[in-house]
Amino acid sequence: KQEVTQIPAALSVPEGENLVLNCSFTDSAIYNLQWFRQDPGKGLTSLLLIQSSQREQTSGRLNASLDKSSGRSTLYIAASQPGDSATYLCAVGGSQGNLIFGKGTKLSVKP
Amino acid sequence: DAGITQSPRHKVTETGTPVTLRCHQTENHRYMYWYRQDPGHGLRLIHYSYGVKDTDKGEVSDGYSVSRSKTEDFLLTLESATSSQTSVYFCAIQGTGVGNNEQFFGPGTRLTVL
Repeated sequence: KQEVTQIPAALSVPEGENLVLNCSFTDSAIYNLQWFRQDPGKGLTSLLLIQSSQREQTSGRLNASLDKSSGRSTLYIAASQPGDSATYLCAVGGSQGNLIFGKGTKLSVKP
Repeated sequence: DAGITQSPRHKVTETGTPVTLRCHQTENHRYMYWYRQDPGHGLRLIHYSYGVKDTDKGEVSDGYSVSRSKTEDFLLTLESATSSQTSVYFCAIQGTGVGNNEQFFGPGTRLTVL
């Protein structure tokens, strides 16, 4: 059974710092990996999608990498801002598109 | 915004009553999903659909049924609501097109079962 783990569960950093969020999964037979952002009481916003054949994806200040063989993905956020404060969720995709989620990393960026 | 709406957005009901949640999409996506989100468990898949009248179970399907009679609507029914089904329910769609399997989520329905 696929399990997804996100470490750390919570992170507090000063504004401007570069940071890395980690995601690990137990079964390397994935179709894709997706990173989401969730603000309190809100829905999920897709940030980046990495296909199983890709190694990384970039969008603005965000960069996500994927290493299937080691069962790991990282989300790199450059020059963090208070507006980046949210919970970040990692999810791996199965054959029918069903996503298996980690429990998230709650990020707080302090001015 | 992938044109996904959920209704109702909030609902309070009593144990034993049936409840139906609706997910509506406007972009003709084939795949639709229902997830629930609970503290300590994260998001878990309840049911999904891969076309009209084509549905399958997810990880936590007990106590739930689904129907999809039209491409744009995916209904989730709690046959007899229990307090353990108090949760936030999210609908999602999967993008269409070759290599486009990104999922987009609706705004969620907060359900409280008393």
